[in-house]
Amino acid sequence: AQSVAQPEDQVNVAEGNPLTVKCTYSVSGNPYLFWYVQYPNRGLQFLLKYITGDNLVKGSYGFEAEFNKSQTSFHLKKPSALVSDSALYFCAVRDWRDNYGQNFVFGPGTRLSVLP
Amino acid sequence: DTAVSQTPKYLVTQMGNDKSIKCEQNLGHDTMYWYKQDSKKFLKIMFSYNNKELIINETVPNRFSPKSPDKAHLNLHINSLELGDSAVYFCASSLGRLAGGGEQFFGPGTRLTVL
Repeated sequence: AQSVAQPEDQVNVAEGNPLTVKCTYSVSGNPYLFWYVQYPNRGLQFLLKYITGDNLVKGSYGFEAEFNKSQTSFHLKKPSALVSDSALYFCAVRDWRDNYGQNFVFGPGTRLSVLP
Repeated sequence: DTAVSQTPKYLVTQMGNDKSIKCEQNLGHDTMYWYKQDSKKFLKIMFSYNNKELIINETVPNRFSPKSPDKAHLNLHINSLELGDSAVYFCASSLGRLAGGGEQFFGPGTRLTVL
């Protein structure tokens, strides 16, 4: 069965500094990996995904993530954090054989606080 | 031009009542889901429907019954509400057949409070 770990409950970073939100995963087949962001009292918004190809994927709002197969990681990054990036971030994984999202698994979330 | 919509946004009710939450998507997706997000923000899938057919039925009480009248709608009916049902419920949709990865798109959520 798939699983996702986000080792940090909270990440604090100063505005303008680079940010990293960590994610590691476990899946038996090839992984499809996703990042979502949740602002207060809102639904989850899709940021980016890795399916195949280039290990560095770019997404919305200047975010990018790097897939590392040997470390089974998919860390979210941004070169320069904004206060408005403060939110809850979820990593998710599905197995490439999963036809209907029945094994779409979310991590526990990491709260990002960007300090002015 | 809302992609995934849910109604109501807030639902406050007494224990023992029956309530429904409606979900609609206009993305042309064929798979829809219900998730429960608890007070610690953990997300747990409850149900998944593909083309109106139930695919997943996780270990949720049978007081919860999803109904999909067509591919664009997936409603959630809850009987005999209990205090522990208080949570935020999210509807989501995707292209089930892994087309391009199958990322899910979420509705704004329904905050259910059982008193």
